[in-house]
Amino acid sequence: GQNIDQPTEMTATEGAIVQINCTYQTSGFNGLFWYQQHAGEAPTFLSYNVLDGLEEKGRFSSFLSRSKGYSYLLLKELQMKDSASYLCAVVVGATNKLIFGTGTLLAVQP
Amino acid sequence: GAVVSQHPSRVICKSGTSVKIECRSLDFQATTMFWYRQFPKKSLMLMATSNEGSKATYEQGVEKDKFLINHASLTLSTLTVTSAHPEDSSFYICSADIAGGSYNEQFFGPGTRLTVL
Repeated sequence: GQNIDQPTEMTATEGAIVQINCTYQTSGFNGLFWYQQHAGEAPTFLSYNVLDGLEEKGRFSSFLSRSKGYSYLLLKELQMKDSASYLCAVVVGATNKLIFGTGTLLAVQP
Repeated sequence: GAVVSQHPSRVICKSGTSVKIECRSLDFQATTMFWYRQFPKKSLMLMATSNEGSKATYEQGVEKDKFLINHASLTLSTLTVTSAHPEDSSFYICSADIAGGSYNEQFFGPGTRLTVL
């Protein structure tokens, strides 16, 4: 079976740093994506990891450990507009389908 | 960047009717298109994978006779919800990956909000 877990909700303060964790147990692994989704909208791409280590992209960084089945998304210098759901998704299978995690709703407070 | 459109963006229908949702890749050819549904405050759930010119592959628990998928060309896939019922009300999102691409990235459409009365 496929199991991808994230915390359901998180709260952080504007200007701070927040880390959103994702653990996965999947049949196969071809990479891991992080997406941001605002309510009623489609997910937007944030990052992609296929090898172990840290990928940095501006205020966002993502880390992967394949041996531990673990990833995290790090958001720095939080802004109010970062309030959204953050989805971890693992790429599996020959068709590279995405299996999404439970999603984390982040609320950024002043 | 690669753009995927969906039509309609919102649809309200009566119970028992069928609804067709279109997913188009506007500026690229898509080897594979994916259909997801999302209930309020929940994550995306993959329904099926479709490839141009072949039958869709449905995920476990998804009724293929209820959710008909046709992938007529490298730029168009359609999802038809047949004999819709209120429990089919959901946000339906499609995605597409680029033919010949090596990045595994999928490009998402803006979604279709279906409400069945």
